[in-house]
Amino acid sequence: LAKTTQPISMDSYEGQEVNITCSHNNIATNDYITWYQQFPSQGPRFIIQGYKTKVTNEVASLFIPADRKSSTLSLPRVSLSDTAVYYCLVGDWAWNTDKLIFGTGTRLQVFP
Amino acid sequence: GAVVSQHPSWVICKSGTSVKIECRSLDFQATTMFWYRQFPKQSLMLMATSNEGSKATYEQGVEKDKFLINHASLTLSTLTVTSAHPEDSSFYICSARERAGVVGIQYFGAGTRLSVL
Repeated sequence: LAKTTQPISMDSYEGQEVNITCSHNNIATNDYITWYQQFPSQGPRFIIQGYKTKVTNEVASLFIPADRKSSTLSLPRVSLSDTAVYYCLVGDWAWNTDKLIFGTGTRLQVFP
Repeated sequence: GAVVSQHPSWVICKSGTSVKIECRSLDFQATTMFWYRQFPKQSLMLMATSNEGSKATYEQGVEKDKFLINHASLTLSTLTVTSAHPEDSSFYICSARERAGVVGIQYFGAGTRLSVL
């Protein structure tokens, strides 16, 4: 499984756009990139998943450059409720190989 | 998205007793479920992979006789912490994967806070 590197923490203010970048230099051809959000004392919540270029849903956007060695999670106009830990995971999500190994994650603190 | 239900959400037990935690996939079938533990301010650590109808696969360093896993059906996996001790106090989280096309997404339960006195 590809190792990921993320900033340990980030601070932002309400209404700002937040971009969290994850490095995964050893990503393999079959690997997908998935981001989860975790609030204290809760299980992680799926945010977004992608393979290349850009993916957007109602919550966030995921930007993946052509070399796929990094990815950026973009949260538009964050609010206080976006304060959480964000995990970037890379892995072969084929049906028979789906073990997830969590890294340290990025602790995002949103201030009023 | 799919829903994974975990029960109980919080349990306190005396040292030496056993505790069972249930993990259910509510609206999909999961041949594989996963169990994690998480200490305060730390990341999730994978404990074991639970396979329906077969023995669980434990990660290195996880005692299989201490953490018994049973995956009796396609929607239910249980984790039993046997002879619990204070050092087993932690946040336990399960997950199950729903297949979406050729790529799956893992969905997580809300977690179980175990406190061993």
